[in-house]
Amino acid sequence: KQEVTQIPAALSVPEGENLVLNCSFTDSAIYNLQWFRQDPGKGLTSLLLIQSSQREQTSGRLNASLDKSSGRSTLYIAASQPGDSATYLCAVRQASGAGSYQLTFGKGTKLSVIP
Amino acid sequence: EAGVAQSPRYKIIEKRQSVAFWCNPISGHATLYWYQQILGQGPKLLIQFQNNGVVDDSQLPKDRFSAERLKGVDSTLKIQPAKLEDSAVYLCASSLDLLNQQFFGPGTRLTVL
Repeated sequence: KQEVTQIPAALSVPEGENLVLNCSFTDSAIYNLQWFRQDPGKGLTSLLLIQSSQREQTSGRLNASLDKSSGRSTLYIAASQPGDSATYLCAVRQASGAGSYQLTFGKGTKLSVIP
Repeated sequence: EAGVAQSPRYKIIEKRQSVAFWCNPISGHATLYWYQQILGQGPKLLIQFQNNGVVDDSQLPKDRFSAERLKGVDSTLKIQPAKLEDSAVYLCASSLDLLNQQFFGPGTRLTVL
């Protein structure tokens, strides 16, 4: 059974700092990995999706890397801003026993960027 | 482009009562998902539809939960009867197909007293 772990559970940084969020998974037979952002009382917003054959994806100040063989991914946020404050969730997609594909989520990292 | 719509946004019921949630996916999205997110946890998949057929309901507590997707568009998720441990946010998501990026709705926060 796939397990996804995110460390740290919470992180507080001053505005302007660069930071790294970590995600690890136990089964490397994944199809892709996705990073989401969740604001309080709202649904999830997809940030980046990395296919299993890719090493990294970039979008603006965000960069996500994937090392499938070691079961790890990182989300790098450059020059953090107070608006980046949210919970960041990592999810891996893999084939399920039901003949489909399923996302397994970590518990998330709650980020607070202090002005 | 309109996003995934869900209603109601909040619901408070007593245990043993029934409740239903509604989801309208993004137009043209064939795949629809229902997730349960308990406070402090990541979302857990309950059921997955491809058009109007169930693809995966292995984690759905079928003794009390049911879901349908009529005409391959809107979907409803029902809980009957509710238990205290069903208190959670119920998220609906949709995607073009099984392997594409999922887009999430705002969720329905259920409190069972």
